[in-house]
Amino acid sequence: ETGVTQTPRHLVMGMTNKKSLKCEQHLGHNAMYWYKQSAKKPLELMFVYNFKEQTENNSVPSRFSPECPNSSHLFLHLHTLQPEDSALYLCASSQDRHANTGELFFGEGSRLTVL
Amino acid sequence: AQSVTQLGSHVSVSEGALVLLRCNYSSSVPPYLFWYVQYPNQGLQLLLKYTSAATLVKGINGFEAEFKKSETSFHLTKPSAHMSDAAEYFCAVSESGGGADGLTFGKGTHLIIQP
Repeated sequence: ETGVTQTPRHLVMGMTNKKSLKCEQHLGHNAMYWYKQSAKKPLELMFVYNFKEQTENNSVPSRFSPECPNSSHLFLHLHTLQPEDSALYLCASSQDRHANTGELFFGEGSRLTVL
Repeated sequence: AQSVTQLGSHVSVSEGALVLLRCNYSSSVPPYLFWYVQYPNQGLQLLLKYTSAATLVKGINGFEAEFKKSETSFHLTKPSAHMSDAAEYFCAVSESGGGADGLTFGKGTHLIIQP
């Protein structure tokens, strides 16, 4: 496999459930990101990991918990979510967070619906 | 602070017609500018980028964009639209030396191609 792979592609969960989103990149990159994409809103950067260390948390509610066990894998653990958290969650990677190409490589996203 | 404004949430053109998607930015320092495309049910993919070299930038699939400092614009064009160009297009700006985590995205423009 090549590129950035996200699983599951679709997830429906109740507000009391606990689930996780998984992202894997096969590009040899050192930085990984979680973005939230909601209708009619700009992409929202949620978390940044550089060389497995979290470098940024843009005031994301604690019901979202990231985990980066190594430079190739990134998880987003979800618990007690709200209906307004329903969105497309995109994972991305780059050479490193300061790479001056500014190019991000995105996965296809995980479509989350919270009932 | 940096920001991006994309004029028109939806743009409709006929197949074979000129495509023009508008992007204006604000930045306190010379910016790096990007256009990303998102095809249905996929993640974002880099179309082209401006990094302070030539002001006319050519990208993939026949798209190009021109950086105009006096107008703070970075409009995306393609001479002849193809049905396969139907997608969501995002303009993005970065001030942090082009670092990937410093990207600010616009809300996107949905390009519709009429047969």
